[in-house]
Amino acid sequence: NAGVTQTPKFQVLKTGQSMTLQCAQDMNHEYMSWYRQDPGMGLRLIHYSVGAGITDQGEVPNGYNVSRSTTEDFPLRLLSAAPSQTSVYFCASSYRDMSTDTQYFGPGTRLTVL
Amino acid sequence: AQSVSQHNHHVILSEAASLELGCNYSYGGTVNLFWYVQYPGQHLQLLLKYFSGDPLVKGIKGFEAEFIKSKFSFNLRKPSVQWSDTAEYFCAVNAWGDSSYKLIFGSGTRLLVRP
Repeated sequence: NAGVTQTPKFQVLKTGQSMTLQCAQDMNHEYMSWYRQDPGMGLRLIHYSVGAGITDQGEVPNGYNVSRSTTEDFPLRLLSAAPSQTSVYFCASSYRDMSTDTQYFGPGTRLTVL
Repeated sequence: AQSVSQHNHHVILSEAASLELGCNYSYGGTVNLFWYVQYPGQHLQLLLKYFSGDPLVKGIKGFEAEFIKSKFSFNLRKPSVQWSDTAEYFCAVNAWGDSSYKLIFGSGTRLLVRP
């Protein structure tokens, strides 16, 4: 199993540009989530999904969109990038409810918005 | 809203020293508690977790944590650290009743172990 994969690993955007961060898992996990990691702030939940077709907001959803058309994929879209979105983004998945089950994290995407 | 505090942002130890990293949370109800670790250049991975039962939980690589409900704490310990324990450690809490799907992470503690 590849586990949780994320692409790209690094990305530089200009303010106002849009892009999609890709996340895929091959473990048949129902639960998937996106976090951002900022210095001194730990990981903050952006959006999560409890299954295909079902998504919900986390702590910091503004400026981000998600969709879950398949069990395997959970892309994160930045519609109009802002410097405040400069961060490291992690995707995670778990077989069951993330409150009780181990989450498996991807390698992260380091995003810089100029 | 729930919050998780990790008071030690940076810890530097020599090999064989004992380790204790603090984690406190703010929620009066039932909680699930986790410690995750991120080694340099690697993914976050689960170190240990507590749901119920024995408040002393043992994890991988000789780590353990003790849940003290009266102190709202879940401190991570290791009797003798190794250079390979150099990493960033995150405490995370799920509070029952406020959406079972969400984990709240602390800000992390960077541990540097000197050989």
